[in-house]
Amino acid sequence: NAGVTQTPKFRILKIGQSMTLQCTQDMNHNYMYWYRQDPGMGLKLIYYSVGAGITDKGEVPNGYNVSRSTTEDFPLRLELAAPSQTSVYFCASSWSTEAFFGQGTRLTVV
Amino acid sequence: ELKVEQNPLFLSMQEGKNYTIYCNYSTTSDRLYWYRQDPGKSLESLFVLLSNGAVKQEGRLMASLDTKARLSTLHITAAVHDLSATYFCAAEYGNKLVFGAGTILRVKS
Repeated sequence: NAGVTQTPKFRILKIGQSMTLQCTQDMNHNYMYWYRQDPGMGLKLIYYSVGAGITDKGEVPNGYNVSRSTTEDFPLRLELAAPSQTSVYFCASSWSTEAFFGQGTRLTVV
Repeated sequence: ELKVEQNPLFLSMQEGKNYTIYCNYSTTSDRLYWYRQDPGKSLESLFVLLSNGAVKQEGRLMASLDTKARLSTLHITAAVHDLSATYFCAAEYGNKLVFGAGTILRVKS
């Protein structure tokens, strides 16, 4: 089983550029999440989704957008990258009693 | 709004010693999770606690949940170097999973 797959693993962006972080899961989970983790800190929720076509803001949504057109995919879009968005991004999916995390995307904005 | 607080944030302990990490959450939670994270890695699920009084054990780690006190604990017994990592608790409320800041555990020989 692949579980939760994130791409890319690493990316360097220039200020003002845009990009999409991809996340896909093969466990047929309804719930999916995007978190960011700054160095030495916990995880902060950016956006989450309870099923295809349904998304909602988390704790730190500014500067990001998401969509959920299928159960499997939950991409995170950065439209105008800023240095404050330098972080490690984790995607997760869950069903019932456990949440599974992807391997993370390390993003640097310069 | 659900808030999750862990303490201590940093814990340096000798091999063979016991210690407890505490996780307090501010409102009623559906379930409580404990995760381990090694440097540069993703999160590994350790325990999921579903109900008041739940206790789960795996090796040298034991987690418990007191929903009335809104408190979960992660107890480490006879620590070994391999347990060095960052430990997170996370509380679920509605559709959101909210994390504590994490406890950095360093086990010294």
